[in-house]
Amino acid sequence: EAGVAQSPRYKIIEKRQSVAFWCNPISGHATLYWYQQILGQGPKLLIQFQNNGVVDDSQLPKDRFSAERLKGVDSTLKIQPAKLEDSAVYLCASSMTGYEQYFGPGTRLTVT
Amino acid sequence: AQSVSQHNHHVILSEAASLELGCNYSYGGTVNLFWYVQYPGQHLQLLLKYFSGDPLVKGIKGFEAEFIKSKFSFNLRKPSVQWSDTAEYFCAVKVQGAQKLVFGQGTRLTINP
Repeated sequence: EAGVAQSPRYKIIEKRQSVAFWCNPISGHATLYWYQQILGQGPKLLIQFQNNGVVDDSQLPKDRFSAERLKGVDSTLKIQPAKLEDSAVYLCASSMTGYEQYFGPGTRLTVT
Repeated sequence: AQSVSQHNHHVILSEAASLELGCNYSYGGTVNLFWYVQYPGQHLQLLLKYFSGDPLVKGIKGFEAEFIKSKFSFNLRKPSVQWSDTAEYFCAVKVQGAQKLVFGQGTRLTINP
């Protein structure tokens, strides 16, 4: 069974630039999550989708972050414009049951 | 607000030593509890989980954890660690009925050969 795929694996941008991350969940998994993991901290949920609808985006900084899952499969997370404090690993996870989550390898973002 | 505390930020042990990593959570209702592990250069993987029933749960690679409801704790244990256990360990809590996982800040475990 293929795991959660994410790209790119690494990205370096300057502040005020924009960036997008892509995630393809495990086939059949209806729930998709985006997490932000800052160095030295645990992952923090940014947004959760159930199929193509948003379940929880309470911790998403909506003035600069956006996410979509148009066809209920893969998803894109965008930051525009990026700030220095956005430097982190962005993790995508998916779940079939809503209980166990399976994580992708993450995208390491460095904002200079 | 719901929170998860992992009191040990960095633990250093020698091979064959016993391990216990602490995890406490703040929510008073019914919870599901998880330990995830992240080996160097790899993605987060589920180590073990507790939903209900026997409070002592066994996971992969000889790890186990005990849910003590009265102490709001879910400590991770292994009787004899190996060098390959070097990794970062995260405790996570899900409130029953919600789908959001709340993670602790993680414990970095270093095993010296």
